[in-house]
Amino acid sequence: QQQVKQSPQSLIVQKGGISIINCAYENTAFDYFPWYQQFPGKGPALLIAIRPDVSEKKEGRFTISFNKSAKQFSLHIMDSQPGDSATYFCAAGKGGSEKLVFGKGMKLTVNP
Amino acid sequence: DARVTQTPRHKVTEMGQEVTMRCQPILGHNTVFWYRQTMMQGLELLAYFRNRAPLDDSGMPKDRFSAEMPDATLATLKIQPSEPRDSAVYFCASGLGLQTSTGELFFGEGSRLTVL
Repeated sequence: QQQVKQSPQSLIVQKGGISIINCAYENTAFDYFPWYQQFPGKGPALLIAIRPDVSEKKEGRFTISFNKSAKQFSLHIMDSQPGDSATYFCAAGKGGSEKLVFGKGMKLTVNP
Repeated sequence: DARVTQTPRHKVTEMGQEVTMRCQPILGHNTVFWYRQTMMQGLELLAYFRNRAPLDDSGMPKDRFSAEMPDATLATLKIQPSEPRDSAVYFCASGLGLQTSTGELFFGEGSRLTVL
């Protein structure tokens, strides 16, 4: 049973465009929602994270939007750059446990 | 520059052989995780430790996989015997728990395993 579903599986955007990645979760006990970025040959690295007490969090060109009632959250990348080309994973975790459940990842390609 | 160190970075072996992967977590981190990454399944949690105690290995095939933390500076993942379906990239990650301000997990660069 996949607890975190991520879409789309891949995305190609032009430089300067907006990239949007969506995730849906099933377990209402989840209270921590990070996004990880992975470049080829490297391990994933934390990009940005949100907790359900806020509906939006912005860090530079990256914004997480969170919809608790719909059990969905999304990552928006504004002014996408070729250097943003990577695989992006959403994840979810719950208090009292350090475990993270990851989505299957989305490969983003930003064309120059 | 604190980082999680994994060895080997690449391993090619034949079916039936024993494989041991090693991880040195970031000093001071109290949680250690083993994840397996494949194209089909993405990142799957295999096992995790808190303060060196195993807390969850439900994602790990028990008949052939084993994970241990002999001490705070070393975590191991062993596969015996290895099978072609074990071919994947295995990541170790360490952290201080999700209740910290960022809940960040720090991943190593992975061990790419190919079983022929």
